[in-house]
Amino acid sequence: DAKTTQPNSMESNEEEPVHLPCNHSTISGTDYIHWYRQLPSQGPEYVIHGLTSNVNNRMASLAIAEDRKSSTLILHRATLRDAAVYYCILRDSSSYDKVIFGPGTSLSVIP
Amino acid sequence: NAGVTQTPKFRILKIGQSMTLQCAQDMNHNYMYWYRQDPGMGLKLIYYSVGAGITDKGEVPNGYNVSRSTTEDFPLRLELAAPSQTSVYFCASSYSGINQPQHFGDGTRLSIL
Repeated sequence: DAKTTQPNSMESNEEEPVHLPCNHSTISGTDYIHWYRQLPSQGPEYVIHGLTSNVNNRMASLAIAEDRKSSTLILHRATLRDAAVYYCILRDSSSYDKVIFGPGTSLSVIP
Repeated sequence: NAGVTQTPKFRILKIGQSMTLQCAQDMNHNYMYWYRQDPGMGLKLIYYSVGAGITDKGEVPNGYNVSRSTTEDFPLRLELAAPSQTSVYFCASSYSGINQPQHFGDGTRLSIL
């Protein structure tokens, strides 16, 4: 099963950009890369997803390496509300039970 | 728009008791999922459903049962509760499968003593 590797924790200063990395060296051609985040005591919240091309939305940007073995979630200006655990997951078109959430990256934002 | 609603928010059970965790969504989503999250860990998929009347096992289905009689509701039943089932349970839904975002409820915090 294709899995992802993320740093356990990261820190950022408020209003600075944040780059959250994710490695997925065993990704298959049909795997979509999804990012979610989880605020304390809440359910996960969808952030962004992509397949091959870089993606932007109102919350963040997703930069996908050309070989698709890694990706980076970019928060353009971190706010205190962005302090959360960020999960990078792969969605496999062949089997829905292969949605694997790892421990994620715990992002701290320093005022 | 309520989204995904889970009840109850908290519950304490004794070993061997049974209960049903309720999940309802009002977004007309076809796909629904149940996850559990143990402290400091990521989410693990218990069961999922791709439509009314259709359910399938996820990564950790033992000790749980589900049904999907309507598009809106996807209850999770625990039979013979065990301490290992102490966890936070999240229900999620999506319009279709892997290319659609999942919308999560706020979770049910379950303790079994």
